[in-house]
Amino acid sequence: DQQVKQNSPSLSVQEGRISILNCDYTNSMFDYFLWYKKYPAEGPTFLISISSIKDKNEDGRFTVFLNKSAKHLSLHIVPSQPGDSAVYFCAARAVGGGTSYGKLTFGQGTILTVHP
Amino acid sequence: DGGITQSPKYLFRKEGQNVTLSCEQNLNHDAMYWYRQDPGQGLRLIYYSQIVNDFQKGDIAEGYSVSREKKESFPLTVTSAQKNPTAFYLCASRSQGSNEKLFFGSGTQLSVL
Repeated sequence: DQQVKQNSPSLSVQEGRISILNCDYTNSMFDYFLWYKKYPAEGPTFLISISSIKDKNEDGRFTVFLNKSAKHLSLHIVPSQPGDSAVYFCAARAVGGGTSYGKLTFGQGTILTVHP
Repeated sequence: DGGITQSPKYLFRKEGQNVTLSCEQNLNHDAMYWYRQDPGQGLRLIYYSQIVNDFQKGDIAEGYSVSREKKESFPLTVTSAQKNPTAFYLCASRSQGSNEKLFFGSGTQLSVL
């Protein structure tokens, strides 16, 4: 049961244009969402996050939008640069404490390629 | 430099053999995690530990074991009971109150001979 889905395995974008990466989730108990960026043979690095009480969070070229009613979030990269080429994972945390605290559920990832 | 160190970077396992993946962090983080990445799939949680001497099973714990004797160390043993061990293994840590921002190591690629 895939609770976090990234339905586009790959995305190709021209340098300078906008990249939009999408993520859908099914668990209504998710209250915090993160995006990670991963280069081959390396660990993921944190990119940006958003709490369910917000619908937008911006950090430089990166903006994450959250649509709770649609259970959908997206990552916008503007302008895209060749160095942005990587795998992008969205992740979600469910509400609750105790032993479940801190567990993240990841999507399958989207390979972004930015062409010069 | 603070960070998470995973070793080795590449590891080969013979059939019936147990192997141990190392994960050390000097970030003074309380919580540590082991994830597995397979091609075309997201990261799946194997085990996690919120404090020393305590750990919990994740979503795919079968065939794996862990220990947390020290705050800095969270080794993962892939036992012979794990029938499909070939994957990229990632260790992560998090400080309390960091709102789920995990710091990841550079990973270990485990392959079966």
